[in-house]
Amino acid sequence: QVHLQESGPGLVKPSGTLSLTCSVSGGSVNSYYWTWIRQTPGKGPEWIGTIRFSGDTNYNPSLKRRVSISLDKSDNHFSLKLTSLTAADTAIYFCGRSPLGDYVDYWGQGTLVAVSS
Amino acid sequence: DIQLTQSPATLSASIGDRVTLTCRASQSVDEWLAWYQQKPGKAPKLLIYKASNVQRGVTSRFSGRGSGTEFTLTISSLQPDDFANYYCQQYRHSPWTFGPGTKVEI
Repeated sequence: QVHLQESGPGLVKPSGTLSLTCSVSGGSVNSYYWTWIRQTPGKGPEWIGTIRFSGDTNYNPSLKRRVSISLDKSDNHFSLKLTSLTAADTAIYFCGRSPLGDYVDYWGQGTLVAVSS
Repeated sequence: DIQLTQSPATLSASIGDRVTLTCRASQSVDEWLAWYQQKPGKAPKLLIYKASNVQRGVTSRFSGRGSGTEFTLTISSLQPDDFANYYCQQYRHSPWTFGPGTKVEI
């Protein structure tokens, strides 16, 4: 059974950078695709981006200038960086596994990130 | 971006009811559509992928149909555990997009 767990700060200042890590157990990041999604209360989820086991990435154009996703095969985790934060980036951030870079079949529990001074 | 609309926004139903939720896409996504169930404070749970394929471990009370721009998720006999929010997601055209959700309530 694949298990994913997000970690990172719960509060980040405006104009700052968000860094989150997703630790994977029960499976290897050396296969499949790995995805970040966020959600604000009462709204549908928003796809942020996906990284393939090869390191190839695909980002949402609405965030592309500010987002970076990377893979650490030695430590079996992947990471999200989002720069130039505003209050609009306040959300619950989820990591997940995508079988072919499409839908998400395994999800982390999510971590709330607030952007505030 | 492909816009997904879901109807109804809220569905009031009773235990044992057969309910159908609808997801419409602003352009064809072929069969590249997934459905998720989400309960408050939890991550979404994959129910259906490629429009009609039930994810392993998901009860057969859930079924999906459709192609192109119109899709449905049917719960054959509503159980207490089914009261939740349901979202559709298309993965035909990047960026992948989600619908605004349907809340199934008593």
